[in-house]
Amino acid sequence: QVLLVQSGAEVKKPGASVTVSCKASGYTFTMYAMHWVRQAPGQGLEWMGWIHGGNGNTKYAQKFQGRVTITRDTFANTGYLELNSLRAEDTAVYYCARDLGRLEDLGPSVENWFDPWGQGTRVTVAS
Amino acid sequence: QSVLTQPPSASGTPGQRVTISCSGSSSSIGRNTVNWYQQFPGTAPKLLIYSSDHRPSGVPDRFSGSKSGTSASLAISGLQSEDEADYFCATWHGSLNAWVFGGGTKVTVL
Repeated sequence: QVLLVQSGAEVKKPGASVTVSCKASGYTFTMYAMHWVRQAPGQGLEWMGWIHGGNGNTKYAQKFQGRVTITRDTFANTGYLELNSLRAEDTAVYYCARDLGRLEDLGPSVENWFDPWGQGTRVTVAS
Repeated sequence: QSVLTQPPSASGTPGQRVTISCSGSSSSIGRNTVNWYQQFPGTAPKLLIYSSDHRPSGVPDRFSGSKSGTSASLAISGLQSEDEADYFCATWHGSLNAWVFGGGTKVTVL
């Protein structure tokens, strides 16, 4: 059974950083990419970026460039999302999701899809 | 304001057919396939339809997807009470160089 288990809720002050982890099991971690998506309270879904599980290549949404870093530990089968310079608007539930479909060295095909998703990690930014 | 446009709500009585639209552009839906996700309150999204019209195993066949031009649709036939959830469409946007989602449609079973 493919499973993504994320780390617990976080409360951070404005200007701080947060790291969310996503431990994968039930599949070969290096053969897939992993996406990060967030959802602000009562809002829709917002894609943040992906990491190639094999070679570590990354791609970030322009909105988060310079503030987000996605990494992975292939020995621990775990992906990480680090978001810096937090502000109140970053309050959201953060999800990891496995990319499913064709994966090349440069990254996943744009025709792919996300399955499964982690259970989500709530990050609250407040002073 | 989401890049893909969905109606905020849709409803029907048990057994009815409900259709949710997802409108994009030539840079998004016009060039790429569309995926649909189902989300219950307080839980993570779950893949419902991939590659515009494919159902993952385990998804009931009352759910179907289609795409035409710059729009896509999700249809739920034989609506059931357990279908009450939020539904999101998603695709790759070539100009924004990002995955984009619709704002979500809340389906209510009357």
